[in-house]
Amino acid sequence: AQTVTQSQPEMSVQEAETVTLSCTYDTSESDYYLFWYKQPPSRQMILVIRQEAYKQQNATENRFSVNFQKAAKSFSLKISDSQLGDAAMYFCAYSTGGTYKYIFGTGTRLKVLA
Amino acid sequence: GAGVSQSPSNKVTEKGKDVELRCDPISGHTALYWYRQSLGQGLEFLIYFQGNSAPDKSGLPSDRFSAERTGGSVSTLTIQRTQQEDSAVYLCASSSLAFSYEQYFGPGTRLTVT
Repeated sequence: AQTVTQSQPEMSVQEAETVTLSCTYDTSESDYYLFWYKQPPSRQMILVIRQEAYKQQNATENRFSVNFQKAAKSFSLKISDSQLGDAAMYFCAYSTGGTYKYIFGTGTRLKVLA
Repeated sequence: GAGVSQSPSNKVTEKGKDVELRCDPISGHTALYWYRQSLGQGLEFLIYFQGNSAPDKSGLPSDRFSAERTGGSVSTLTIQRTQQEDSAVYLCASSSLAFSYEQYFGPGTRLTVT
């Protein structure tokens, strides 16, 4: 069975600094998708970034980028130039290609210090 | 609509009462998901609807939980004879395609069973 593990329950970063959130997953599939979602205190889950497993190039979205290590089954999120608005719960998620089932990690709470 | 909406935002109910939670997905989205998010936990899959196909109810924790989706749009999650362990945030998400695509989440309903 597929699993998603986020080993950091909580992280802190100074404003304007860079932080990396870890995510590992376990699967025997070769075709899958990985996601990072952000959940601020408003509870609205928002997609931050998405990575297709068949793509070797790491996805980037402005200040957000991933380090996708397929062999190691690792999918970390790097936030550069952290802003106060980045403070939220971050969830890593996995979905096997061609299915609708998503598996979420338990989340990492990110605090941004002014 | 502009996004996924859920009502009520918060619901406090007494143990043993029935509750109904509503989800209005983004217009035109054929896939709809319900998740449960307990404090400090990730998202737990409950049920999935796709078009006119039979829903995947494999995540419903007990027969006290049921869900309907009328006309391929609005969905209602019903919890009968609520228990204290049902207290959680219930999130709804919709997607334009079923497979491995971004899910758009609603703000959730926080259910508290006293």
